[in-house]
Amino acid sequence: GDSVTQTEGLVTLTKGLPVMLNCTYQTTYSPFLFWYVQHLNEAPKLLLKSSTDNKRTEHQGFYATLHKSSSSFHLQKSSVQLSDSALYFCALSGLANSGTYQRFGTGTKLQVVP
Amino acid sequence: EAGVTQSPRYAVLQEGQAVSFWCDPISGHDTLYWYQQPRDQGPQLLVYFRDEAVIDNSQLPSDRFSAVRPKGTNSTLKIQSAKQGDTATYLCASSTGDLQDTQYFGPGTRLLVL
Repeated sequence: GDSVTQTEGLVTLTKGLPVMLNCTYQTTYSPFLFWYVQHLNEAPKLLLKSSTDNKRTEHQGFYATLHKSSSSFHLQKSSVQLSDSALYFCALSGLANSGTYQRFGTGTKLQVVP
Repeated sequence: EAGVTQSPRYAVLQEGQAVSFWCDPISGHDTLYWYQQPRDQGPQLLVYFRDEAVIDNSQLPSDRFSAVRPKGTNSTLKIQSAKQGDTATYLCASSTGDLQDTQYFGPGTRLLVL
């Protein structure tokens, strides 16, 4: 079935270092991929989304490229800040024969330390 | 512009009790979603509406959960006879389109079933 995999549960990094959070997906339909960020005790907010193959999408210093050939949509940032500490979810949406569907990954907690 | 509002913010129940959650979406958003987010997991879509119509409730445990949006604006999610496994945060979100469009999440209701 349709699914999203985020392999890292917790990533701890020193401020200023680059980060890549992994997201791979499985679907037989044309996918939309999303990254949501959820700060402690706050609601998830959309960070990035894409449905275009091999096109880089950027927002607030974060970027991701949807690669349909490898079914991936990894989230990257060149220099993390303390304020980036949060839970990051990758999500997949698509249009199946039975209707639209959505799947969230289990999330990756990013912890940035001084 | 006001965001998505939810109430109550917290609820503590004994097993077997009932509880209702209320959501007021962003004005003009015709699509409303309810998610269940267990601790340290990603959100799982329970049900979503376009206006007053249920589009997908396939993940809603129909024997104890129900959701309505009678006038196509506010919505109520109800759990009859809560179980400890229902302990989670219940998130409401709204959008102007469907699952491929940006969703705006409310702050959630944290439910603890003892």
